[in-house]
Amino acid sequence: AQTVTQSQPEMSVQEAETVTLSCTYDTSESDYYLFWYKQPPSRQMILVIRQEAYKQQNATENRFSVNFQKAAKSFSLKISDSQLGDAAMYFCAYRSSIGDSNSGYALNFGKGTSLLVTP
Amino acid sequence: NAGVTQTPKFQVLKTGQSMTLQCAQDMNHEYMSWYRQDPGMGLRLIHYSVGAGITDQGEVPNGYNVSRSTTEDFPLRLLSAAPSQTSVYFCASSYGRNNSPLHFGNGTRLTVT
Repeated sequence: AQTVTQSQPEMSVQEAETVTLSCTYDTSESDYYLFWYKQPPSRQMILVIRQEAYKQQNATENRFSVNFQKAAKSFSLKISDSQLGDAAMYFCAYRSSIGDSNSGYALNFGKGTSLLVTP
Repeated sequence: NAGVTQTPKFQVLKTGQSMTLQCAQDMNHEYMSWYRQDPGMGLRLIHYSVGAGITDQGEVPNGYNVSRSTTEDFPLRLLSAAPSQTSVYFCASSYGRNNSPLHFGNGTRLTVT
């Protein structure tokens, strides 16, 4: 199974500032999909952004953008103009482009980064 | 829009008891799955299904059973609860396409004493 690593267990950012959350992954595949999910204290899992590996352009969703470095197998999330509502656990996830017998369309998740936003 | 509905939200069991966590989705998704979330471990796949009548094991299947008799429903059964199964459980579904994101239920917090 592909390994997803989030090396920052906790991060802190001041309101209105920018923060970058790191994610690296290990794969031998050339085509795959990457996702960032947000989990606020409500426990709900919310899709933040997704990236197809075959696309060179970095995905952007409003204040959220990614820096996708395919050769380096890196997929970092940048949050601009941080808001108090951004405080949450953030999970990076990998999905294979082929459904194998072990996981189908499952996502492989990193262990998460807890983001604290201070006023 | 209901999306993915999980019940119950909270449950306390005694060791050895059995129970079923319910999951239903109304988006006609082919793919459904169960994850457990433990502190510092991220989310780990328990079982998954790529369609009605088809199920398979994920990373941590021991102690759990699933069935998929309809497209909509994917219940998770704990056969004989153990304290190691204390966790938060998530059901998730998606279309059977790799670029389709997972839609999650709101989770069930299970405590086994």
